[in-house]
Amino acid sequence: QQKVQQSPESLSVPEGGMASLNCTSSDRNFQYFWWYRQHSGEGPKALMSIFSDGDKKEGRFTAHLNKASLHVSLHIRDSQPSDSALYFCAVSVNTGNYKYVFGAGTRLKVIA
Amino acid sequence: NAGVIQTPRHKVTGKGQEATLWCEPISGHSAVFWYRQTIVQGLEFLTYFRNQAPIDDSGMPKERFSAQMPNQSHSTLKIQSTQPQDSAVYLCASSLDLGLGRDTQYFGPGTRLLVL
Repeated sequence: QQKVQQSPESLSVPEGGMASLNCTSSDRNFQYFWWYRQHSGEGPKALMSIFSDGDKKEGRFTAHLNKASLHVSLHIRDSQPSDSALYFCAVSVNTGNYKYVFGAGTRLKVIA
Repeated sequence: NAGVIQTPRHKVTGKGQEATLWCEPISGHSAVFWYRQTIVQGLEFLTYFRNQAPIDDSGMPKERFSAQMPNQSHSTLKIQSTQPQDSAVYLCASSLDLGLGRDTQYFGPGTRLLVL
């Protein structure tokens, strides 16, 4: 069974600081990684997807993928209180049909 | 674009009653997913439709749960004889179904189901 491991479970950073979240897939047949963010009372919303090795930057958010280690990270610079949320890593895995598997999430709290 | 619409937003049922949850995907999206979210289990995949056809229901509990997509504009998740352990937020998502595992999913706000 495909698994996606996220760490840490929770994280607190000061406003303006850098938050770093990690995610590892157990399946080498992955295609894409996504980072989703979920604020309380809302559904998850995609932040970005990444497929190629290296960095992908969107505003204050940078994802880094290392395909060899099946690892992706998300770095949030200049963290804002509005970044406080639950962050999910998701991966698509080729099982014949593609399966989308979500991790358990990292809860980020940005302290003003 | 209103996004994915889920109704009702909140539902309270008594143990043993039936609950029907509705999802209206984004217009033009041909893939619809259902998930269940709890504090303990996190985000659990339930089922997936493509062009209204059921593709993968491997996450659906074998008894009491069923999902349908009678037309491209809505899908339903039905839970018969609800039990307290069914209490959760049920999330619906849709995507363009680009294929090859490239789909970004767009989630609705969820239906919070409480079974007393």
